[in-house]
Amino acid sequence: EVQLVESGGGLVQPGGSLKLSCAASGFTFSDSAIHWVRQASGKGLEWVGRIRSKADTYATTYAASVKGRFTMSRDDSKNTAYLQMNSLKTEDTAVYYCTRRDCSGGTCYFVYWGQGTLVTVSS
Amino acid sequence: QSVLTQPPSASGTPGQRVTISCSGSSSNIGSNTLSWYQQLPGTAPKLLMFGNNQRPSGVPDRFSGSKSGTSASLAISGLQSEDEADYYCAAWDDSLNGVVFGGGTKLTVL
Repeated sequence: EVQLVESGGGLVQPGGSLKLSCAASGFTFSDSAIHWVRQASGKGLEWVGRIRSKADTYATTYAASVKGRFTMSRDDSKNTAYLQMNSLKTEDTAVYYCTRRDCSGGTCYFVYWGQGTLVTVSS
Repeated sequence: QSVLTQPPSASGTPGQRVTISCSGSSSNIGSNTLSWYQQLPGTAPKLLMFGNNQRPSGVPDRFSGSKSGTSASLAISGLQSEDEADYYCAAWDDSLNGVVFGGGTKLTVL
């Protein structure tokens, strides 16, 4: 069974840092691109960014809203992806989901999602 | 302001057919396939449709998707109370080099 489990959320002051983890199981993690998507309370889904597999040189891409502040990484030996969040702002407050992006026949989509971890940025 | 535009709300009575639209541009819907997600309160999104009109295993055939140009729609026929949820469309955007989501549509079953 495919599972993605996020952890590391919590309360942090504006300007602070937090590192989220996404532990994967049930599939070949090293072959998969992992994306992060966030959702502020009562709001819609917002793509945060992605980290590709080793075959794609672990390339990362970020949304403009987090570029330069957030960094994605992964440890394939631990089947875990990370989201390092620096210079946090109140508007970064959200539930953060990690999700696996599958591509087949020219179409890509998110099948598997974690349960999400809440990040609250407040003084 | 989301890159993909959805109506904020939709509603219908049990048994009815409802459609939810998703409008984008040539850099996203116009050049890439679309997926739809259903989100029940307090839960993670669930894949409902991919490749514009393909249903994953387990999704009832009451759900159907279509795309034309830079717009797409999700149709739900035989509306049921359990369909009450938030629905999101998503696509890759070649200009932004990332995934873009619609703002979401809250479906109410009256």
